[in-house]
Amino acid sequence: GAGVSQSPSNKVTEKGKDVELRCDPISGHTALYWYRQSLGQGLEFLIYFQGNSAPDKSGLPSDRFSAERTGGSVSTLTIQRTQQEDSAVYLCASSLVGGAGPGYTFGSGTRLTVV
Amino acid sequence: GNSVTQMEGPVTLSEEAFLTINCTYTATGYPSLFWYVQYPGEGLQLLLKATKADDKGSNKGFEATYRKETTSFHLEKGSVQVSDSAVYFCALSDPPYGQNFVFGPGTRLSVLP
Repeated sequence: GAGVSQSPSNKVTEKGKDVELRCDPISGHTALYWYRQSLGQGLEFLIYFQGNSAPDKSGLPSDRFSAERTGGSVSTLTIQRTQQEDSAVYLCASSLVGGAGPGYTFGSGTRLTVV
Repeated sequence: GNSVTQMEGPVTLSEEAFLTINCTYTATGYPSLFWYVQYPGEGLQLLLKATKADDKGSNKGFEATYRKETTSFHLEKGSVQVSDSAVYFCALSDPPYGQNFVFGPGTRLSVLP
Protein backbone atom coordinates (compact mmCIF):
# COMPACT_ATOMS: atom_id res chain seq x y z
CA GLY A 1 0.00 0.00 0.00
CA ALA A 2 0.87 3.65 -0.07
CA GLY A 3 1.57 3.86 3.64
CA VAL A 4 1.79 1.82 6.81
CA SER A 5 -1.67 0.64 7.79
CA GLN A 6 -2.64 -0.28 11.34
CA SER A 7 -5.84 -1.79 12.65
CA PRO A 8 -7.91 -1.28 14.60
CA SER A 9 -7.43 2.45 15.05
CA ASN A 10 -9.07 2.26 18.47
CA LYS A 11 -9.55 -0.68 20.82
CA VAL A 12 -11.22 -0.73 24.21
CA THR A 13 -10.83 -3.96 26.12
CA GLU A 14 -11.51 -5.28 29.58
CA LYS A 15 -8.65 -5.98 31.93
CA GLY A 16 -7.50 -9.56 31.59
CA LYS A 17 -8.55 -9.99 27.96
CA ASP A 18 -6.16 -10.66 25.10
CA VAL A 19 -5.81 -8.23 22.19
CA GLU A 20 -4.23 -8.40 18.74
CA LEU A 21 -2.98 -5.35 16.90
CA ARG A 22 -2.20 -5.53 13.22
CA CYS A 23 0.36 -3.71 11.09
CA ASP A 24 0.56 -3.81 7.31
CA PRO A 25 3.87 -2.21 6.25
CA ILE A 26 4.75 -0.54 2.99
CA SER A 27 5.22 -3.14 0.30
CA GLY A 28 8.88 -4.07 -0.09
CA HIS A 29 9.96 -2.68 3.29
CA THR A 30 12.07 -5.34 4.95
CA ALA A 31 12.28 -3.71 8.38
CA LEU A 32 9.30 -3.40 10.71
CA TYR A 33 9.17 -1.89 14.19
CA TRP A 34 6.66 -1.65 16.99
CA TYR A 35 6.69 1.26 19.44
CA ARG A 36 4.48 2.26 22.32
CA GLN A 37 3.54 5.84 23.12
CA SER A 38 2.08 6.30 26.57
CA LEU A 39 0.25 9.47 27.57
CA GLY A 40 2.76 12.28 27.99
CA GLN A 41 5.69 9.99 27.27
CA GLY A 42 8.06 9.56 24.39
CA LEU A 43 8.21 6.55 22.16
CA GLU A 44 9.24 3.25 23.70
CA PHE A 45 10.80 0.64 21.43
CA LEU A 46 9.15 -2.77 21.64
CA ILE A 47 10.34 -5.08 18.87
CA TYR A 48 12.12 -5.03 15.52
CA PHE A 49 11.88 -7.38 12.54
CA GLN A 50 14.46 -7.37 9.75
CA GLY A 51 13.88 -9.68 6.83
CA ASN A 52 14.15 -13.33 7.85
CA SER A 53 16.42 -12.66 10.81
CA ALA A 54 15.37 -13.44 14.35
CA PRO A 55 13.50 -10.42 15.73
CA ASP A 56 14.99 -8.13 18.34
CA LYS A 57 12.56 -8.49 21.24
CA SER A 58 14.63 -6.56 23.74
CA GLY A 59 12.02 -3.86 24.23
CA LEU A 60 9.04 -6.04 25.09
CA PRO A 61 8.03 -5.06 28.63
CA SER A 62 6.84 -8.49 29.79
CA ASP A 63 6.14 -12.01 28.59
CA ARG A 64 2.52 -11.01 28.06
CA PHE A 65 3.68 -9.23 24.92
CA SER A 66 4.57 -11.09 21.73
CA ALA A 67 4.74 -10.30 18.05
CA GLU A 68 5.09 -12.16 14.83
CA ARG A 69 5.58 -11.24 11.23
CA THR A 70 4.22 -13.65 8.68
CA GLY A 71 5.75 -13.96 5.24
CA GLY A 72 7.95 -10.95 5.86
CA SER A 73 4.98 -8.62 5.56
CA VAL A 74 2.05 -8.22 7.96
CA SER A 75 2.85 -8.16 11.67
CA THR A 76 0.64 -8.85 14.67
CA LEU A 77 1.38 -7.61 18.18
CA THR A 78 -0.43 -9.66 20.82
CA ILE A 79 -0.94 -8.60 24.41
CA GLN A 80 -2.23 -11.30 26.71
CA ARG A 81 -4.11 -10.71 29.96
CA THR A 82 -4.14 -6.95 29.40
CA GLN A 83 -3.52 -4.60 32.31
CA GLN A 84 -4.48 -0.96 32.71
CA GLU A 85 -0.85 0.10 32.35
CA ASP A 86 -0.94 -1.35 28.83
CA SER A 87 -3.18 1.54 27.76
CA ALA A 88 -1.24 3.49 25.15
CA VAL A 89 -0.96 4.18 21.45
CA TYR A 90 0.87 1.37 19.70
CA LEU A 91 2.75 2.55 16.64
CA CYS A 92 4.13 0.47 13.83
CA ALA A 93 6.80 1.68 11.43
CA SER A 94 8.57 0.23 8.45
CA SER A 95 11.65 1.12 6.46
CA LEU A 96 13.26 -0.08 3.28
CA VAL A 97 16.35 -1.26 5.06
CA GLY A 98 17.15 -1.68 8.71
CA GLY A 99 18.37 1.40 10.50
CA ALA A 100 18.16 5.10 10.19
CA GLY A 101 19.32 5.86 6.69
CA PRO A 102 15.99 6.51 4.99
CA GLY A 103 14.05 7.17 8.16
CA TYR A 104 10.95 5.33 9.11
CA THR A 105 7.39 5.58 7.86
CA PHE A 106 4.95 5.33 10.72
CA GLY A 107 1.38 4.17 10.78
CA SER A 108 -1.32 6.18 12.52
CA GLY A 109 -1.29 3.84 15.48
CA THR A 110 -3.78 1.83 17.50
CA ARG A 111 -5.09 3.51 20.62
CA LEU A 112 -5.57 0.79 23.23
CA THR A 113 -7.63 1.49 26.32
CA VAL A 114 -7.83 -1.15 29.02
CA VAL A 115 -10.77 -0.65 31.39
CA GLY B 1 23.07 4.81 27.56
CA ASN B 2 21.72 6.95 24.77
CA SER B 3 19.09 9.55 25.52
CA VAL B 4 17.32 12.57 24.05
CA THR B 5 16.10 15.57 26.01
CA GLN B 6 13.63 18.11 24.65
CA MET B 7 12.21 21.31 26.03
CA GLU B 8 8.95 20.70 27.81
CA GLY B 9 5.76 21.88 26.25
CA PRO B 10 3.25 22.92 25.48
CA VAL B 11 4.61 25.78 23.43
CA THR B 12 2.03 28.36 22.35
CA LEU B 13 2.91 30.94 19.72
CA SER B 14 1.12 33.45 17.56
CA GLU B 15 1.14 33.01 13.80
CA GLU B 16 4.35 34.31 12.16
CA ALA B 17 6.33 34.06 15.39
CA PHE B 18 9.82 32.53 15.50
CA LEU B 19 10.03 28.96 16.77
CA THR B 20 12.83 27.19 18.58
CA ILE B 21 12.44 23.75 20.14
CA ASN B 22 15.58 22.70 21.95
CA CYS B 23 16.93 19.18 21.71
CA THR B 24 20.09 17.77 23.29
CA TYR B 25 21.34 14.22 23.23
CA THR B 26 23.79 11.82 24.78
CA ALA B 27 25.18 8.98 22.72
CA THR B 28 28.03 6.53 23.00
CA GLY B 29 28.85 6.70 19.30
CA TYR B 30 28.25 9.06 16.40
CA PRO B 31 24.50 9.12 15.92
CA SER B 32 22.22 10.28 13.18
CA LEU B 33 19.70 12.87 14.38
CA PHE B 34 16.08 13.35 13.38
CA TRP B 35 13.01 15.46 13.94
CA TYR B 36 9.63 13.77 13.56
CA VAL B 37 6.25 15.51 13.56
CA GLN B 38 2.87 14.13 14.57
CA TYR B 39 -0.13 16.14 13.40
CA PRO B 40 -3.43 15.67 15.24
CA GLY B 41 -4.93 12.29 14.47
CA GLU B 42 -2.07 11.22 12.25
CA GLY B 43 1.01 9.02 12.49
CA LEU B 44 4.56 10.20 12.86
CA GLN B 45 6.27 11.71 9.85
CA LEU B 46 9.93 12.33 9.29
CA LEU B 47 10.43 16.10 9.18
CA LEU B 48 14.19 16.36 8.70
CA LYS B 49 17.43 14.63 9.53
CA ALA B 50 21.21 15.11 9.73
CA THR B 51 23.83 12.40 9.71
CA LYS B 52 27.07 14.18 10.56
CA ALA B 53 28.38 17.17 12.44
CA ASP B 54 27.52 20.61 11.00
CA ASP B 55 24.95 19.12 8.62
CA LYS B 56 21.76 21.15 8.39
CA GLY B 57 18.50 19.34 7.82
CA SER B 58 15.64 21.37 6.38
CA ASN B 59 12.06 20.82 5.26
CA LYS B 60 8.84 22.87 5.10
CA GLY B 61 10.67 25.94 6.43
CA PHE B 62 12.03 24.07 9.45
CA GLU B 63 15.77 23.75 10.03
CA ALA B 64 18.04 21.99 12.50
CA THR B 65 21.85 21.88 12.61
CA TYR B 66 23.82 18.95 14.02
CA ARG B 67 26.09 20.48 16.67
CA LYS B 68 28.51 17.87 17.95
CA GLU B 69 30.32 20.27 20.28
CA THR B 70 27.13 21.07 22.16
CA THR B 71 25.39 17.71 21.45
CA SER B 72 22.36 19.59 20.22
CA PHE B 73 19.91 19.54 17.32
CA HIS B 74 17.56 22.45 17.93
CA LEU B 75 14.56 22.84 15.63
CA GLU B 76 13.84 26.32 14.25
CA LYS B 77 11.34 28.01 11.97
CA GLY B 78 11.32 31.68 11.14
CA SER B 79 7.55 32.15 10.82
CA VAL B 80 5.13 29.54 12.11
CA GLN B 81 1.65 28.92 10.75
CA VAL B 82 -1.48 27.54 12.37
CA SER B 83 -0.96 24.38 10.31
CA ASP B 84 2.34 23.75 12.14
CA SER B 85 0.43 22.89 15.31
CA ALA B 86 1.58 19.37 16.16
CA VAL B 87 3.82 17.36 18.45
CA TYR B 88 7.50 17.39 17.52
CA PHE B 89 9.84 14.55 18.47
CA CYS B 90 13.62 14.70 18.43
CA ALA B 91 15.29 11.32 17.92
CA LEU B 92 18.66 9.73 17.43
CA SER B 93 19.92 6.51 15.98
CA ASP B 94 23.24 5.23 17.29
CA PRO B 95 24.92 3.67 15.46
CA PRO B 96 23.43 5.21 12.33
CA TYR B 97 22.21 1.81 11.21
CA GLY B 98 21.00 0.71 14.58
CA GLN B 99 17.74 -1.10 14.68
CA ASN B 100 15.91 1.31 16.85
CA PHE B 101 15.70 4.94 17.63
CA VAL B 102 15.74 6.73 20.93
CA PHE B 103 13.01 9.35 20.95
CA GLY B 104 12.57 12.40 23.10
CA PRO B 105 9.27 12.88 24.94
CA GLY B 106 7.88 15.23 22.32
CA THR B 107 6.99 18.92 22.44
CA ARG B 108 3.45 20.03 21.69
CA LEU B 109 3.25 23.22 19.63
CA SER B 110 0.07 25.25 19.34
CA VAL B 111 0.01 28.16 16.91
CA LEU B 112 -2.80 30.67 17.36
CA PRO B 113 -4.20 32.78 14.48
